[in-house]
Amino acid sequence: AQTVTQSQPEMSVQEAETVTLSCTYDTSESDYYLFWYKQPPSRQMILVIRQEAYKQQNATENRFSVNFQKAAKSFSLKISDSQLGDAAMYFCAYPGTASKLTFGTGTRLQVTL
Amino acid sequence: NAGVTQTPKFRILKIGQSMTLQCTQDMNHNYMYWYRQDPGMGLKLIYYSVGAGITDKGEVPNGYNVSRSTTEDFPLRLELAAPSQTSVYFCASRTGTGSYGYTFGSGTRLTVV
Repeated sequence: AQTVTQSQPEMSVQEAETVTLSCTYDTSESDYYLFWYKQPPSRQMILVIRQEAYKQQNATENRFSVNFQKAAKSFSLKISDSQLGDAAMYFCAYPGTASKLTFGTGTRLQVTL
Repeated sequence: NAGVTQTPKFRILKIGQSMTLQCTQDMNHNYMYWYRQDPGMGLKLIYYSVGAGITDKGEVPNGYNVSRSTTEDFPLRLELAAPSQTSVYFCASRTGTGSYGYTFGSGTRLTVV
């Protein structure tokens, strides 16, 4: 069974600073996707960024980027120029067989002034 | 608006009661999923479906049932509600063509007392 591990239950960052959220996963597949989702207090699941494993280049979406290390099975999320609106739970997720998403336990990000 | 619609948004059940959580999508997605999210945790898969007439168990299926008679609808049935089923329930569907991704409903907060 696939596993996704987020080892940081909580993180804090000052506004305008940079923070990195960690995620490791386990799979025997060679081609797959990885996702980061944001869940604000509204509880809506919002896609932050997606990475395709066969692509060497790390995905970037505006202030959000990933550091994808395929051999190490590591998929960290970097948030640059943090904003108050970035405060939320962040989940790393891996789609296994039948595209069933396996989620990590999440990292709660606090953004301080 | 296109997307995944879940009803109701909130519900309080008494122990032993039954109910059906409704999920409808209008994007013609074949893959649909039900997840539950306990407080401070990630999402865990209850049941999933890869097409009309096909359903299968996920990680935490006990106490639940599903059906998939049409592509659009994927209701989740709770029989004999128990306090352990107090959770937030999310329905999701997966895009099968083009950009690989998932659409989540807004969730149903269920409390069993």
